[in-house]
Amino acid sequence: QQQVKQSPQSLIVQKGGISIINCAYENTAFDYFPWYQQFPGKGPALLIAIRPDVSEKKEGRFTISFNKSAKQFSLHIMDSQPGDSATYFCAASKVGQGGKLIFGQGTELSVKP
Amino acid sequence: DADVTQTPRNRITKTGKRIMLECSQTKGHDRMYWYRQDPGLGLRLIYYSFDVKDINKGEISDGYSVSRQAQAKFSLSLESAIPNQTALYFCATSDRIGQGGGGRGNEQFFGPGTRLTVL
Repeated sequence: QQQVKQSPQSLIVQKGGISIINCAYENTAFDYFPWYQQFPGKGPALLIAIRPDVSEKKEGRFTISFNKSAKQFSLHIMDSQPGDSATYFCAASKVGQGGKLIFGQGTELSVKP
Repeated sequence: DADVTQTPRNRITKTGKRIMLECSQTKGHDRMYWYRQDPGLGLRLIYYSFDVKDINKGEISDGYSVSRQAQAKFSLSLESAIPNQTALYFCATSDRIGQGGGGRGNEQFFGPGTRLTVL
C-alpha cells in the first residue's frame, strides 16, 4: 500500500520559474512531513520539514504548504535555479512510532538555463 | 568528512550468491535504517534498528537480513540474491526523537548508497 503519493514523477522548469511538487497522504496519524533532496550519486538529504500545526513553512526559496483537511502538502521552489536540479522526495511519519519515514515515489526536477 | 559510509559502492553479483552490504557511522546515533530505492517507487524501508538489541522489519524485509554489530555498524545481507533485488541501497541514521537540533525533528542522515546489480 502506498501511503504517500507524490506527483509529478518528473518536472522541467525554466530558470527563474516556480517548481511545485505535490504529495498526498492517507494516514491521519502522521505528524511530521519532511522533504528530502537527492543529487545524482548522493544520498538524500533533509531540505525542509513541517508539522501539521502550521499551514506553511518557508526557508529561503523553499516553501512547504500544508493542507491538513485535504491531507496534502506541497513543495514550492521559487526562482528555480539549475543547481536545484535533483530528485525530491516527500515523506511522512508519526513521531510516536520511532520516526519511521514513509516516502513518496520521488520527483525528478530539471531546471533549464 | 563522511559521517555515514557504505561499502561497497558498487557490486555486481550472480543469482543465488550471498552478499553483504555494510554501513558505518560516526554520528553517534542510536538509530539506523536500510532502504532500497527503485525508479518510480521511491525509498522503501527494509529494516531498522533503534539500538544494538532492537531490530525491526520494515515494509519489504523478505529476502533480506540484518546485523547490528555495534552502535556504529549495521549490515544488510542478501542470503540468496535474485535479479529483482537489483537496486540502489541506502543506509541512514538518526538521533533519538526530540534530540534533533534546529527544529528538524527526526532528521535522517543518509550514506552515499550502494548500487547492486544481480545478474
